[in-house]
This record gives sequence, structure tokens and C-alpha cells, in this order.
Amino acid sequence: QLQLQESGPGLVKLSETLFLTCTVSGGSISSTSSYWAWIRQPPGKGLEWIGSILYTGRNYYNPSLGSRVTVSMDSAYNHFSLEIRSLTAADTAVYYCARDFFRGAEDLLDYWGRGMLVTVSS
Amino acid sequence: AIQMAQSPSSLSASVGDRVIITCRASEGIGRELGWYQQKPGRAPRLLIYSAFKLQSGVPSRFSGSGSGTDFTLTISSLQPEDFATYYCLQDDRYPWTFGQGTKVEIK
Repeated sequence: QLQLQESGPGLVKLSETLFLTCTVSGGSISSTSSYWAWIRQPPGKGLEWIGSILYTGRNYYNPSLGSRVTVSMDSAYNHFSLEIRSLTAADTAVYYCARDFFRGAEDLLDYWGRGMLVTVSS
Repeated sequence: AIQMAQSPSSLSASVGDRVIITCRASEGIGRELGWYQQKPGRAPRLLIYSAFKLQSGVPSRFSGSGSGTDFTLTISSLQPEDFATYYCLQDDRYPWTFGQGTKVEIK
């Protein structure tokens, strides 16, 4: 059974950088049929896809975050990471990591972490 | 980016009711749409992928339909555990985009 777990600071300061890690167990992030994704949800609001990465290092980002975001992965530790720079209060959210299992044109966000609340404050 | 207009934003229903939620994409996305259920304090859960395919372990009272720009999620007979918020997600083109969500409440 695949499991994902987010980790990182729960409180970060305005204008600084957030760094979160998603540790995957029960499977390899080097799988050729999986992207690994970050999604966030501001308190009381809807879901926003942030970005995804494939085992090759190929990634895609949401342009709504501009050039502030980087998703990376480390196969040696079987984890992938999210970096968001120049934080504002609008980045306060629950951050989820998830697996995007794909086959052909099908994509399934089928496994999710439990989510981690990150608060940006002065 | 493709915009996803989901409706209604909320609804009240009783156990046993048939519930229909719709999503409209701002441009055609084929069948590249998923439906997710989220309960308070929990991560979203995949219900339907590729517009109509039921994810393993999901009860058959959930069904999806549609293609192109118009999609529906149907719950044939609402159960107590189905009270939650539902989101559609287009995964046809990056950036992936979610609908605004539909909160299903107890009448």
C-alpha cells in the first residue's frame, strides 16, 4: 500500500522560502507510470494544483505561482520536494502531496498525503 | 488556463436522494476529468477518473458522465457518509484546474 507523508515547517515568515518534503513508502518514486504532484488548499477554500514531477526530472508548474516554485525529487531518499520563494500571506494553506498514476491519456491522483498546514506570518 | 465552472456551489439533500453535480470546462477536454470527494480535515479522495471510470473501492452509487466541455457526477442514492465537498479536476492540459467545489449538506 503506497503511503505519502508531508513534512516541513508549519510556520514561515513573509518573504522567506518554504521547503516541504513528501516521503513515499510502499513504492518507488522512480516508477515509470507515476508523476508526483503538489496541491494546496487555503483555509476554507478550494483546491489548487501547484506542480508535478516525473522520475526523469521533467516537471510542470502552475503559472499562477510565477517563477516562485520548484518541485524536485531525490530517488535515493524516495522523496520529492516543494520550494516556494518570496512567500506572502496568500500562500497560507494546507499543502498536499499526491501520486499521479498515468496510463495513456488517463491520470489518477489516487494516493494522497494527509496534508500539512503551513501558515505564513510576519 | 482552462477554467472549470462547477455547480451548484452547495446543495441540501436527504439520505436516499439522487444528487447531480455538474462541471463545465471553458474549452474541450475530451474525457480528461476526475471527481474527488473531500471530508473536513481530510485529503481528497478519487471517485471517478476519465469522466466515467469508477476508481477501485468506490461504491457503485457514484457515476460520472460527459465529454468535451460538460460533465456530471451522479450519486444515485445519497448515503450518510456521502455528505462532503466534491471537486472536479481537468487533467487534460497543464495547468490542471479544479472546479470551485460543491458542498453536499444534510437537509
